Formats: sequence, structure tokens, C-alpha cells
Amino acid sequence: ETGVTQTPRHLVMGMTNKKSLKCEQHLGHNAMYWYKQSAKKPLELMFVYNFKEQTENNSVPSRFSPECPNSSHLFLHLHTLQPEDSALYLCASSQDESQGGNEQFFGPGTRLTVL
Amino acid sequence: GQNIDQPTEMTATEGAIVQINCTYQTSGFNGLFWYQQHAGEAPTFLSYNVLDGLEEKGRFSSFLSRSKGYSYLLLKELQMKDSASYLCAVLDSNYQLIWGAGTKLIIKP
Repeated sequence: ETGVTQTPRHLVMGMTNKKSLKCEQHLGHNAMYWYKQSAKKPLELMFVYNFKEQTENNSVPSRFSPECPNSSHLFLHLHTLQPEDSALYLCASSQDESQGGNEQFFGPGTRLTVL
Repeated sequence: GQNIDQPTEMTATEGAIVQINCTYQTSGFNGLFWYQQHAGEAPTFLSYNVLDGLEEKGRFSSFLSRSKGYSYLLLKELQMKDSASYLCAVLDSNYQLIWGAGTKLIIKP
């Protein structure tokens, strides 16, 4: 495996379910990100981890809970979601969060539908 | 507030040239990125500009004017595979990426 991988690629869940999204990067990067992408809207940064420490939480509801056990893996735990949470969830990584010019490498995303 | 503006959609003809504009108002500036995103796929990096001027990379070029808060992505010799969304993003003073909503480019034969 190379680059950034995400599983599952598609997920349908009810509002009472609990599920987790997984992201893994094979690039030796130190920063990892969760984004939400809704149709015709800018990418919304949700969480940032730099050297396994959470450095950003952009007022994300507590029904989204991130976990970063090591610099290669990132999880997004989901519980009691709402239909408006349906979106594409993208994971990305970069060499270091605080360095300018470090491009972010994105995974293919998880298409989430909340019923 | 911070804001990135780019056209929602553009149409161009195969073999032609198209320019996608991006204007920004952000708290500080540490560079501007362009990404390409095909439908159903991950965004992929195209270019990074931090100094004024034009950066050329094959068929794609990116221009930046910091004083005008303006950038454009120029695509030459358009191919059908260039049909995608093009995302403009600015790195602000806190090194956080502020994203535009993207420009959907449709290429017609």
C-alpha cells in the first residue's frame, strides 16, 4: 500500500449507530487531518494531529470523536449522527502541519450517508 | 472573516486554454495551493505559490499577486481528462488551509 488509504469507502448508518472511519498513511508524515466535504461547499477542516497531538478542533460536534494512536493511523469515531452529517469524509497527511508549502496528500474518502 | 472566491463552474473546449481565477481575503498569507479533484476521487496537488509571479509546470501554470489577493490557474491544450474540480486554498498566518468551494471545469469535444 502506498499513499493515504481510507476504509470503508462507503458507509450507510442509522442515527443511533456507532461506527468508525479509518485512515492510514504510508508516507512517513507527521501531520494528519480530517475534512468534511459537502456538495458545492469548501472543504471543512475538522481535526488536525501533529506528531500525534491534536492541534486543531474546529468547533466540531462531540458526536465526532477523533483518535490518533500513532503518526500513521487516524480514526474518526461516529455516534448518534444526524442526516446533515452525510458527506464525503477525507483524510489527509503532510510532512508537518506548521511548515508552509507542505502539500497535503489525500485519501480517497469515505462517502457517509446517515439515514 | 476569511474568504476564498472562485467561479462555481466553467466550460471550455478540448485543445483550448482556460483560466480559473481565485481571489482571497485571509488573516495572513503563507502560500496558495491549487488542487485537482476528479469526481469521486481524492484531491491531488497541482501547485504551490508563495511569491508573486507565474509558475509553469507542463500544461498547467499558476500565477500569484499577493498585493491583489489574486491567483489563477491556467490550463493549456485542454484534454478531456482535465474535466474535474479545481480547488484553491490559502495557508493563513496560523498555517491553516482555507479552502475555496472549487471550480467545476467541463471540457467539451
